[in-house]
Amino acid sequence: DTAVSQTPKYLVTQMGNDKSIKCEQNLGHDTMYWYKQDSKKFLKIMFSYNNKELIINETVPNRFSPKSPDKAHLNLHINSLELGDSAVYFCASSQGWWGGHSFIEQFFGPGTRLTVL
Amino acid sequence: GDSVTQMEGPVTLSEEAFLTINCTYTATGYPSLFWYVQYPGEGLQLLLKATKADDKGSNKGFEATYRKETTSFHLEKGSVQVSDSAVYFCALKGYSTLTFGKGTMLLVSP
Repeated sequence: DTAVSQTPKYLVTQMGNDKSIKCEQNLGHDTMYWYKQDSKKFLKIMFSYNNKELIINETVPNRFSPKSPDKAHLNLHINSLELGDSAVYFCASSQGWWGGHSFIEQFFGPGTRLTVL
Repeated sequence: GDSVTQMEGPVTLSEEAFLTINCTYTATGYPSLFWYVQYPGEGLQLLLKATKADDKGSNKGFEATYRKETTSFHLEKGSVQVSDSAVYFCALKGYSTLTFGKGTMLLVSP
């Protein structure tokens, strides 16, 4: 069974469209994240939710809106897509927030490759 | 702010060669350091970690030692295999930040 799954795996769309990426984890974790990996493989955190509450929101445009209907799901909705949004988006989860002095491992999904034309 | 610098790739090696991927960091306080690996088409997986100076993390034949004096956390493996071909990310964890390097692609040929 896949621990962290994402759908779709590939997403090709036109500029200006609105799209969503779904993420589900079956690990029983209470914290989930979205990361963006650009064409040069640079990985940056976008959002983090702990128990369905937003706890990290990096400088991400308002066009990006995460939604967590329950602890097992964290979806990413993107409005008015732009060329620069093309990237691979990774969802991750952990038991507890990774912040603080303790180490908490994050488990990553396989990624969604978004291509904006 | 915190930053992680990795050597540019790709690193191309023959099977059974010795591997070193350099990683240096800039951080305040006492960060924890990690190496993650990303196999083709998959998400990142934690490979090894070190939480304080002079700690050595090791897993699957890979090793890295937390060197505070040189602010480095170089990844090494004595004999690479074709199955080690992947992208390797060095990462740093501060109190409330998690910073990844840009990744180094490793290609191992038979």
